[in-house]
Amino acid sequence: DGGITQSPKYLFRKEGQNVTLSCEQNLNHDAMYWYRQDPGQGLRLIYYSQIVNDFQKGDIAEGYSVSREKKESFPLTVTSAQKNPTAFYLCASSPDSTDGNTIYFGEGSWLTVV
Amino acid sequence: EDQVTQSPEALRLQEGESSSLNCSYTVSGLRGLFWYRQDPGKGPEFLFTLYSAGEEKEKERLKATLTKKESFLHITAPKPEDSATYLCAVRSGGTYKYIFGTGTRLKVLA
Repeated sequence: DGGITQSPKYLFRKEGQNVTLSCEQNLNHDAMYWYRQDPGQGLRLIYYSQIVNDFQKGDIAEGYSVSREKKESFPLTVTSAQKNPTAFYLCASSPDSTDGNTIYFGEGSWLTVV
Repeated sequence: EDQVTQSPEALRLQEGESSSLNCSYTVSGLRGLFWYRQDPGKGPEFLFTLYSAGEEKEKERLKATLTKKESFLHITAPKPEDSATYLCAVRSGGTYKYIFGTGTRLKVLA
């Protein structure tokens, strides 16, 4: 099935640790995104990438890092510099072409600091 | 500044009681308005994309409409399984960003 796969579904981070969330898509989409969702707030953009080997900071990039070495993969690292990382993280992708630009989401990953 | 506002924040309906959710937007050159359904603990599920004023799309009990300033998601004769948070988003011209509203939490009572 075509879609966006995020892993792990649940992740626990100790203070001072870096953790990486995986995101893989087989939709052949050019653009990929990472959002953070907190209760009562809209989705906030962390990073996005329009093409391989290029990415841009979103509205809340501090304490996060990404890479885009392959078209289908866009991993997110939550570093120890992120002071409040407990949240629901959503990876998304879009074709971003004349065929349309609907953005589609993965199932999300829960990150909790312990 | 690009902005999306959804109302109401929460809505309780009896089964079969039709209603509408509102999504008001301010954007520079609309490149699409998107509706999603999100269940607790899951990623948003795509429902509709609308591109121009006057456009309408339907799926089962849901119908989305678009004007130059707002979009409505009409729910006809809802069932308890329609209970979810409904999100609206827009994409403006000249940017790769999508702007999301905070959603409407819908509860349909049997």
